Amino acid sequence: EVQLVESGGGLVQPGGSLRLSCAASGFSFNNYWMTWVRQAPGKGLEWVANINQDGSERYYLASVNGRVTISRDNAKNSVYLQINSLRPEDTAVYYCARDVSPFHDSSGFYEYWGQGTLVTVSS
Amino acid sequence: DILISQSPSSLSASVGDTVTITCRASPDINNYLAWYQQRPGKVPKLLIYGASTLQSGVPPRFSGSGSGGVFTLTISSLQPEDVATYYCQKYNFAPNAFGQGTKLEIK
Repeated sequence: EVQLVESGGGLVQPGGSLRLSCAASGFSFNNYWMTWVRQAPGKGLEWVANINQDGSERYYLASVNGRVTISRDNAKNSVYLQINSLRPEDTAVYYCARDVSPFHDSSGFYEYWGQGTLVTVSS
Repeated sequence: DILISQSPSSLSASVGDTVTITCRASPDINNYLAWYQQRPGKVPKLLIYGASTLQSGVPPRFSGSGSGGVFTLTISSLQPEDVATYYCQKYNFAPNAFGQGTKLEIK
């Protein structure tokens, strides 16, 4: 059974940093692109970043580029999202999601999602 | 960047009705479009990809159509469990943006 479990969220002051983690199981993690999607309270889904199988390709939402770094550790079956210089508008549930297919190129859409981890940025 | 917009933002319909949600992308994205359902308090669920291919396990009363710049999600014979917010997503290349969502309620 495919499982994605996020952790690392919490209450952070503006300007602070967080590292979110997503632990994967039930599939060959090193064969799949992985993605982070966020959802502000009561708002829609927002694609944040994705990373290819070996970490050599990474793409970011323009509005977070420079503050956010996606990474992965295939030995630990985990993907990470480092967010720096946190702003109140970063407050959201952050989901990790797995590409549908284990191809070289990202399929770009997602069958499996974690339950999310809540990040709250407030003083 | 590709602009993606969804309409309506909300709609209300009766059990048994057919409803249609529209997603527009500019410039064209070929058929690189997916639809998701997010029930209240739940994670998104993939319904359709490739604009019209039904994900395994999704009831056939859900259907998708369109190509290029205009796409539709149609839900036939609306059921109470279809109460949810529906999102389109383009995925031709990153960033794989989502539409703003359409909240569907039952009258």
